Amino acid sequence: DIPLTQSPSFLSASVGDRVTITCRASQDISIYLAWYQQKPGKAPEVLIFGASTLQSGVPSRFSASGSGTEFTLTISSLQPEDFGTYYCQQLNSYPLTFGGGTKVEIK
Amino acid sequence: EVQLLESGGGLVQPGGSLRLSCAASGFTFSSNAMSWVRQAPGKGLQWVSSISNTGETTPYADAVKGRFTISRDNSKNTLHLHMNSLRAEDTAVYYCVKCGGTCQHSRFDVWGQGTLVTVSS
Repeated sequence: DIPLTQSPSFLSASVGDRVTITCRASQDISIYLAWYQQKPGKAPEVLIFGASTLQSGVPSRFSASGSGTEFTLTISSLQPEDFGTYYCQQLNSYPLTFGGGTKVEIK
Repeated sequence: EVQLLESGGGLVQPGGSLRLSCAASGFTFSSNAMSWVRQAPGKGLQWVSSISNTGETTPYADAVKGRFTISRDNSKNTLHLHMNSLRAEDTAVYYCVKCGGTCQHSRFDVWGQGTLVTVSS
């Protein structure tokens, strides 16, 4: 198994802030990492795949980078609709695993 | 429009069985691998199982191996999850997920709305 560690687990930021979430894998997963956003009571939605490729329709304020074991998701200017929980997922090998999540609150 | 519609959730006693179904539409079902992901109340996401587009390859999470069986009917654009020997810790919302081609080395690009499975006496 490849555990993923996300940090922070919670963050509170203001509209317009730059926000960064980190995901660390216990072993090399190349670029096979995706990021998802989940709002309360809703299914997750993919934001980023292949570590840095923006899913079609996702606002350009979302970006991501990394390879190997260290990955980051950045929201360049936090918007009110960006609240929710963000998860990373490794798709390098089975079992596919998710990080524990980062809950983002808008101040 | 790509849609995934789960059904079959509900209340079941420990040790019981349940079959979840997922009706897919809006894409070529037989070309895409599919997965099930679950989320216990107030908890994070947990991958359960995946199935290749032909149904030949079916990896499982250790927590469900030997108890759950994933299957698909490409003629009916339907995905199933057969769950046996259910335990309290299987209580969760179960999501049907479309993979972007394969699941490994790709992404989970479309999610259903989820169906709640509650295991309790």
